[in-house]
Amino acid sequence: DVKVTQSSRYLVKRTGEKVFLECVQDMDHENMFWYRQDPGLGLRLIYFSYDVKMKEKGDIPEGYSVSREKKERFSLILESASTNQTSMYLCASTQSRRLAGTYEQYFGPGTRLTVT
Amino acid sequence: GNSVTQMEGPVTLSEEAFLTINCTYTATGYPSLFWYVQYPGEGLQLLLKATKADDKGSNKGFEATYRKETTSFHLEKGSVQVSDSAVYFCALIPPLFNKFYFGSGTKLNVKP
Repeated sequence: DVKVTQSSRYLVKRTGEKVFLECVQDMDHENMFWYRQDPGLGLRLIYFSYDVKMKEKGDIPEGYSVSREKKERFSLILESASTNQTSMYLCASTQSRRLAGTYEQYFGPGTRLTVT
Repeated sequence: GNSVTQMEGPVTLSEEAFLTINCTYTATGYPSLFWYVQYPGEGLQLLLKATKADDKGSNKGFEATYRKETTSFHLEKGSVQVSDSAVYFCALIPPLFNKFYFGSGTKLNVKP
């Protein structure tokens, strides 16, 4: 079974802190994604990465950055946390589109971040 | 552009009732279509998928048929259980894309 793990299930940080959310997948997937989930807004894509050291902005990248130094690990960074970044953060991974067969996203359990 | 529209919730049903959650889409080319489910406190899990027109995806008693002519992928289940209470997301990925497009989610509450 594909496994996507996230470093914390719950996190409480103060305004202005630098926050790191870590995601690790064990299926050698090329693509990794960070979403935030808010009531009534569904999932919104923050950033994604299709290879080591490669990244692309999603729909709401402002206030976030990412790092992918190893294929299995994708980090989301909040440079200076603000209260409007209180949310559920979901990491996901997929194999490359170049590979035939099933193509689906596998999700981690999520990190519920509260910024006070 | 690419987008997914699904019915707003919450949907409240009694156990053993019939379920339909509507999903329509706009997409570039012929996308693959998915339904994901999110149980309380968890991430999303793939429920079923369909990759071409007229395909029917099915899993755990849930079904959805890829209808190209109506650009729809409605989720159905003949008899829901309390354990089906969750949020359901419809999603698509266009051909040659790496990015998924999700609907806003529909919360289902099933009462005993």
